Amino acid sequence: DTAVSQTPKYLVTQMGNDKSIKCEQNLGHDTMYWYKQDSKKFLKIMFSYNNKELIINETVPNRFSPKSPDKAHLNLHINSLELGDSAVYFCASSQGSSLIMDTQYFGPGTRLTVL
Amino acid sequence: DAKTTQPTSMDCAEGRAANLPCNHSTISGNEYVYWYRQIHSQGPQYIIHGLKNNETNEMASLIITEDRKSSTLILPHATLRDTAVYYCIVRPSHSGNTGKLIFGQGTTLQVKP
Repeated sequence: DTAVSQTPKYLVTQMGNDKSIKCEQNLGHDTMYWYKQDSKKFLKIMFSYNNKELIINETVPNRFSPKSPDKAHLNLHINSLELGDSAVYFCASSQGSSLIMDTQYFGPGTRLTVL
Repeated sequence: DAKTTQPTSMDCAEGRAANLPCNHSTISGNEYVYWYRQIHSQGPQYIIHGLKNNETNEMASLIITEDRKSSTLILPHATLRDTAVYYCIVRPSHSGNTGKLIFGQGTTLQVKP
């Protein structure tokens, strides 16, 4: 059973298109995250949601809009895709950000390529 | 910005212990040291964490110096599957912690046969 799953695994699209990446966790966690790993392999936090509420937005362009229909899902919608959006996007979840020792579990990643 | 410094890369012979150092000289009293690793084409994976005492689990051991300014992750018997990028991360423990992990460049560990 996959703890944190993402779809699709690969996404190739043209500049200017709108696309979504889905994330689901079956761990019963309250907090979910999106991270971006660029071509230089640096991994950076983008968003965090706790019980469907946004708690972190790391100055991500407003073309990126996370949506959390319930606490088991955190989807990432990207409008007007740009070449610089090409990266691997990782979803993660943890039990709750208010807990002191809060291990994060990561999904397998979605490789987005914008042409 | 990451608050840790790690060597860019290290090699280790299969079956030997891999010792991965991390400097965190500006660590404050309420910050934990976490280690994650990322195997090629996979998401990061939690390994271990500690505050000031040495810790051991089924994956690794974590040795934190008495002044807490550095630590060492030990993989006691490295296998080829341990080849990965290893990230040392410091995180505050207080309830205001937003939970985000700040990743540095990590150490690329190559385990060789």
